[in-house]
Amino acid sequence: DADVTQTPRNRITKTGKRIMLECSQTKGHDRMYWYRQDPGLGLRLIYYSFDVKDINKGEISDGYSVSRQAQAKFSLSLESAIPNQTALYFCATSDAGLPGGNTIYFGEGSWLTVV
Amino acid sequence: QKEVEQDPGPLSVPEGAIVSLNCTYSNSAFQYFMWYRQYSRKGPELLMYTYSSGNKEDGRFTAQVDKSSKYISLFIRDSQPSDSATYLCAMALSGGYNKLIFGAGTRLAVHP
Repeated sequence: DADVTQTPRNRITKTGKRIMLECSQTKGHDRMYWYRQDPGLGLRLIYYSFDVKDINKGEISDGYSVSRQAQAKFSLSLESAIPNQTALYFCATSDAGLPGGNTIYFGEGSWLTVV
Repeated sequence: QKEVEQDPGPLSVPEGAIVSLNCTYSNSAFQYFMWYRQYSRKGPELLMYTYSSGNKEDGRFTAQVDKSSKYISLFIRDSQPSDSATYLCAMALSGGYNKLIFGAGTRLAVHP
């Protein structure tokens, strides 16, 4: 089983609909992240959470919200999806921050298409 | 101007070639430099990690950081078809918060 599991892996939704992407991890890490990946733009941070009571905005949080339900669960919501939110979304986890070479572990991604 | 620039490719090389992948950056405060490999329809995975300047070697892979030029490189020796993937550079400032700034990625194809 994957250490970082994302559901759904693929979703097509209509403009204006609410959609939730879920993430769970078995690595026991405190830190969890949501990124989106777009061609030519690389990975951009949407939200991050250092523990259950800590939620922080990333570079591109507008139009998104998150919930950290437990240490192992971090969900991303699009309250009213729009076509330019069509992208590949990644959940990620890490333990301690840099320095130390601690790795960020990514899930396998959720393809979201907004039509 | 993006903080991290990376040529998107695609880069196509024959098996056995030496591959050079590069990134430039604008923020001189970056201290941590990473290379991630991303196979099609998969999440990125950490390949190499370097702190500050210098070289780091791991098998067929060598990472170089030149902070004076704000330039980092990943060299792949004896490239294999299994190296075909997108390679993303990433950088972070010093401190305990590992917010990474990613390049857009270079797509590499190694053909037999």
